[in-house]
Amino acid sequence: EAGVAQSPRYKIIEKRQSVAFWCNPISGHATLYWYQQILGQGPKLLIQFQNNGVVDDSQLPKDRFSAERLKGVDSTLKIQPAKLEDSAVYLCASSPTWDTQYFGPGTRLTVL
Amino acid sequence: GEDVEQSLFLSVREGDSSVINCTYTDSSSTYLYWYKQEPGAGLQLLTYIFSNMDMKQDQRLTVLLNKKDKHLSLRIADTQTGDSAIYFCAENESGGYNKLIFGAGTRLAVHP
Repeated sequence: EAGVAQSPRYKIIEKRQSVAFWCNPISGHATLYWYQQILGQGPKLLIQFQNNGVVDDSQLPKDRFSAERLKGVDSTLKIQPAKLEDSAVYLCASSPTWDTQYFGPGTRLTVL
Repeated sequence: GEDVEQSLFLSVREGDSSVINCTYTDSSSTYLYWYKQEPGAGLQLLTYIFSNMDMKQDQRLTVLLNKKDKHLSLRIADTQTGDSAIYFCAENESGGYNKLIFGAGTRLAVHP
């Protein structure tokens, strides 16, 4: 069974630029999550989708971050404009229902 | 709010047992999880325990849960150099949509 796919794996941008990350969950998984992991910390949930609807975006900085899940499968997370403090690893995870979450390899973002 | 705490670092000799400890605050959590993260990689699910259990064993891994003290531990028997990684404890937030709250992680170093 293929795992959660993410791209790109690494991205370096300057502050105030825009960036987008892509995630393809495990086939058949209805729930998709985006986490932010700052160096030295555990992952923190940004947004959670159930199929193509948002069920929790309470910790998403909505003035600069946006996310969508097209047709309930792939998802993109965008940051516009980026700040220095957005430097982190962005992890995507998926689960069949309200169940165990499986994580992708992450995208490491560096904002200069 | 919910909080998960772990010690930051553990060093063990190869062949010895490792015990990683975690405390959590949400007594209504349904599941508690242990994830492993190797350098540059995403999170790998190691094991999980349902809140009505007090122990779970899976090959070299033993999870102990003390609900009264809200204490979770992960024991790795016969620790190998390949076990060197960061280990994250996580609880699922009660009343939510399986939102995970992670600790900051425990870095396990295995030396010969």
